[in-house]
Amino acid sequence: SQQGEEDPQALSIQEGENATMNCSYKTSINNLQWYRQNSGRGLVHLILIRSNEREKHSGRLRVTLDTSKKSSSLLITASRAADTASYFCATPYTGKLIFGQGTTLQVKP
Amino acid sequence: GAGVSQSPSNKVTEKGKDVELRCDPISGHTALYWYRQSLGQGLEFLIYFQGNSAPDKSGLPSDRFSAERTGGSVSTLTIQRTQQEDSAVYLCASRGPEGATNEKLFFGSGTQLSVL
Repeated sequence: SQQGEEDPQALSIQEGENATMNCSYKTSINNLQWYRQNSGRGLVHLILIRSNEREKHSGRLRVTLDTSKKSSSLLITASRAADTASYFCATPYTGKLIFGQGTTLQVKP
Repeated sequence: GAGVSQSPSNKVTEKGKDVELRCDPISGHTALYWYRQSLGQGLEFLIYFQGNSAPDKSGLPSDRFSAERTGGSVSTLTIQRTQQEDSAVYLCASRGPEGATNEKLFFGSGTQLSVL
């Protein structure tokens, strides 16, 4: 399937530390997106990186994309307790957006 | 409206009953998606509507599930003869007209369905 897979499934860090989440996918893509979900409800779009981009920044977020390895990473720097959430990568496939299983991040105050 | 609206936010039903879940997308958004998320799991794609094209129903888990989108706007997901394994959060999302600036999805807050 086109589904991305995140690694690790769960991550627990102290406030102020950096958090890195990885995503792997299976087929060629033209973009990859990261979303955040609080409390098991609606997802919020964080950042989109295109296949011709290798790195993108947005505030404390840094996303990288390696199309040769079919992988992406999301780095959250100087984490805060409010960053506690689940993070999903998503890739387009035949018009649909297919989501991975997510990484649950806990940031301890 | 300003965002994607889903109703009800919570639905408790008895096994064997039919349920209807509603989604109001952002005005002007041509694409609408339904996903299902079981507790602690990722998002499972169910169905996708794009403009006037035939919907992509490839994710519907059984013929008990159906969805329609009336007038290119509001969508209703119907689950007939509900089973306990249907218990999940049902998420709706919409996206603007196809184009390089309209690739991200906007999600509603979901409907938590509990089948007793």
